[in-house]
Amino acid sequence: GAGVSQSPSNKVTEKGKDVELRCDPISGHTALYWYRQSLGQGLEFLIYFQGNSAPDKSGLPSDRFSAERTGGSVSTLTIQRTQQEDSAVYLCASSPGWGETQYFGPGTRLLVL
Amino acid sequence: TQLLEQSPQFLSIQEGENLTVYCNSSSVFSSLQWYRQEPGEGPVLLVTVVTGGEVKKLKRLTFQFGDARKDSSLHITAAQTGDTGLYLCAGPRAGNNRKLIWGLGTSLAVNP
Repeated sequence: GAGVSQSPSNKVTEKGKDVELRCDPISGHTALYWYRQSLGQGLEFLIYFQGNSAPDKSGLPSDRFSAERTGGSVSTLTIQRTQQEDSAVYLCASSPGWGETQYFGPGTRLLVL
Repeated sequence: TQLLEQSPQFLSIQEGENLTVYCNSSSVFSSLQWYRQEPGEGPVLLVTVVTGGEVKKLKRLTFQFGDARKDSSLHITAAQTGDTGLYLCAGPRAGNNRKLIWGLGTSLAVNP
């Protein structure tokens, strides 16, 4: 079956613009995670969705970052007023449930000029 | 603060050689996971170790969890070019195991 897909694969934007990153999880997976991977920083947890529960937003670095998950499936990560330090690879992962193996998408490479 | 330190940061070897990479912490982890990430892809889970002293084998890869559950190692026997990639270790954060703490990884290059 299809794995986790993310779009776009690459995004170049200008400082101050808003960007939307999309994640399509594996069908039937109830848990969805967003991470940010920067050079020298490792993977940084951003937000976690589990079924209909309130998302765990504790990893979002600022109020410019937000995410939603519609219908328990597709998720969108939005970064408003992008800054150069937002440049990174944004990874999405899904799992059948909490605590189970996470399956990662290929990531979106964001470059803010 | 829980941290996972991986060493070496970079490793370049010839095909056929053996190697060991390490994942160390001063904190106890209930489990540790090892992932491999190839360029342009997301990490892929290789193994989860749960019990102190546990050894797991995956073909030419041998994973060990320290007795005190503070460290882990990955040993690759007779490395192949297909083993090239970034090897990451991760463990659940104490008090909130929805969040994984990640090491920075070991970047392995296996040359033909």
